[in-house]
Amino acid sequence: DGGITQSPKYLFRKEGQNVTLSCEQNLNHDAMYWYRQDPGQGLRLIYYSQIVNDFQKGDIAEGYSVSREKKESFPLTVTSAQKNPTAFYLCASRGLDDQETQYFGPGTRLLVL
Amino acid sequence: RKEVEQDPGPFNVPEGATVAFNCTYSNSASQSFFWYRQDCRKEPKLLMSVYSSGNEDGRFTAQLNRASQYISLLIRDSKLSDSATYLCVVDLWGAGSYQLTFGKGTKLSVIP
Repeated sequence: DGGITQSPKYLFRKEGQNVTLSCEQNLNHDAMYWYRQDPGQGLRLIYYSQIVNDFQKGDIAEGYSVSREKKESFPLTVTSAQKNPTAFYLCASRGLDDQETQYFGPGTRLLVL
Repeated sequence: RKEVEQDPGPFNVPEGATVAFNCTYSNSASQSFFWYRQDCRKEPKLLMSVYSSGNEDGRFTAQLNRASQYISLLIRDSKLSDSATYLCVVDLWGAGSYQLTFGKGTKLSVIP
């Protein structure tokens, strides 16, 4: 069954703690993306990657880090430098044909304790 | 500034009504256009792509007006299950950028 998986579904972070959100896809897509969505707000791009071992900052990269060691995987780390991490985090992937759209994983809700 | 703008709504319509959403985009070089649907606390899902000649999928019709830089979505015979937030999506950075820009969404509530 092809698709994008994200884990965990809910994640709790303590003050000063780094946490990592998982994103895996088996769609053979080259490009992967991380977005943040706050209540009642639109999607904001955190980081994206077009190819293995390469990634670019999006609009709100501060306090986040990513890696792209495998085509299938694009984990996001929310560091202690991110002062307001509570949000809904969405991972997406896309093929490189310009007419292709993005497909999203089910998301991870991050809450700060 | 590159933007995709939508009326946030909410649009409250009775079952069976026809409702239309518009979306404007700032880059005339944009090539790819989509409408997504997002249910409460769920991920966005592709509703339909928008083609230059306009396209229809059942009760849904999408149109593109390049001269005025807007796209529209028309929903006929609204169902309760159409209640969701509808996101307008555009490749604002142009072909080859691999980035899509999402509007903030228009909320639709279909009332019995």
